[in-house]
Amino acid sequence: GDSVTQMEGPVTLSEEAFLTINCTYTATGYPSLFWYVQYPGEGLQLLLKATKADDKGSNKGFEATYRKETTSFHLEKGSVQVSDSAVYFCALVILIQGAQKLVFGQGTRLTINP
Amino acid sequence: GAGVSQSPSNKVTEKGKDVELRCDPISGHTALYWYRQRLGQGLEFLIYFQGNSAPDKSGLPSDRFSAERTGESVSTLTIQRTQQEDSAVYLCASSPWTGGTFSNQPQHFGDGTRLSIL
Repeated sequence: GDSVTQMEGPVTLSEEAFLTINCTYTATGYPSLFWYVQYPGEGLQLLLKATKADDKGSNKGFEATYRKETTSFHLEKGSVQVSDSAVYFCALVILIQGAQKLVFGQGTRLTINP
Repeated sequence: GAGVSQSPSNKVTEKGKDVELRCDPISGHTALYWYRQRLGQGLEFLIYFQGNSAPDKSGLPSDRFSAERTGESVSTLTIQRTQQEDSAVYLCASSPWTGGTFSNQPQHFGDGTRLSIL
């Protein structure tokens, strides 16, 4: 079935470090791919998305490229900040009866130290 | 405009009691989803509603779980005879009708209800 596998956390980095959070997926066809972020005490928010192969999603300095050949959607940021500390979820969407059903990875907790 | 609203934000109850969780989706969003997020884990799909179609209940973990939705508005998730393993954050999300195709519009999430079973 459709699934998403994320890099296990927690991940702890120093401010201004380079970040990569790996995400790979298994799906029938070519799903849309998302990264959601959950800041402490807040709800899930969409961070970025990509809807087809080779698309690059970007937001708040984060980027992820939809790689069909490696079935991956790794999240990267060149210089992280303390405010980036959160839990990050990779997800794919599958279409069932006209509705978009999200399949999430297990989440990666990121802590950035000053 | 208003986002997805969930209530209560926190619920503490004794094992064996029934609980009802409420979700108000974004106006005009025909699809509504419930997810469960256990501590330190990812989101687990529970159920979704799409317009007047029969809901997809494939994710409900047991027959103690049920959900209803009135038209294209409010939904309630009911857990009967709660158990300690039901402790989690229950998230609701809504999205517009896609017309049967993938859409660039993602699901919008509420802040969740944190349920604690003593």
